[in-house]
Amino acid sequence: NAGVTQTPKFQVLKTGQSMTLQCAQDMNHEYMSWYRQDPGMGLRLIHYSVGAGITDQGEVPNGYNVSRSTTEDFPLRLLSAAPSQTSVYFCASSYATGTPYEQYFGPGTRLTVT
Amino acid sequence: DQQVKQNSPSLSVQEGRISILNCDYTNSMFDYFLWYKKYPAEGPTFLISISSIKDKNEDGRFTVFLNKSAKHLSLHIVPSQPGDSAVYFCAARGDDKIIFGKGTRLHILP
Repeated sequence: NAGVTQTPKFQVLKTGQSMTLQCAQDMNHEYMSWYRQDPGMGLRLIHYSVGAGITDQGEVPNGYNVSRSTTEDFPLRLLSAAPSQTSVYFCASSYATGTPYEQYFGPGTRLTVT
Repeated sequence: DQQVKQNSPSLSVQEGRISILNCDYTNSMFDYFLWYKKYPAEGPTFLISISSIKDKNEDGRFTVFLNKSAKHLSLHIVPSQPGDSAVYFCAARGDDKIIFGKGTRLHILP
């Protein structure tokens, strides 16, 4: 099992560029989510999905789009990158039902927007 | 408005002693609480959790206590070991969302 994989590990974008952060899991988890981690701000929820075809907004969804066409993949799209989106992005997955709702996290993507 | 608060950015504890990390929450609809540990340049890893219907859960050196009336939970690590030096995040689940606090950096001193 690879667990949760994220690509790329590092990315530098110019303001206004778009890109997609990839996330995949091989644990057949229904629930997937994206977080961003900024210094002093902890982990903030961007978007989440309780299953294929279903997505919803988290705490800080503006500037990001997601889709969930398969159980395994949950890409995060930055439509027009801004310096405020410089952050470390983590994808996570878990079972949607049944405790303890333990999420497995990927290693993260470090994004810099100049 | 922060729903999950970890008011201590850092904590230093002597090796072998007890580490106590605290967390407060504001949303009474949260039904599950979790603690994660994070090392630099890695994703967080799950440590221990507790349902809102319980007041204590223990797993080895880690114990989580929940005080629903005070909307407060704490993580106890006994005894503290050098490998416990990391950032600890408190998280709460409600309405299909899992919300994290800002984290507390734990330093275990030799």
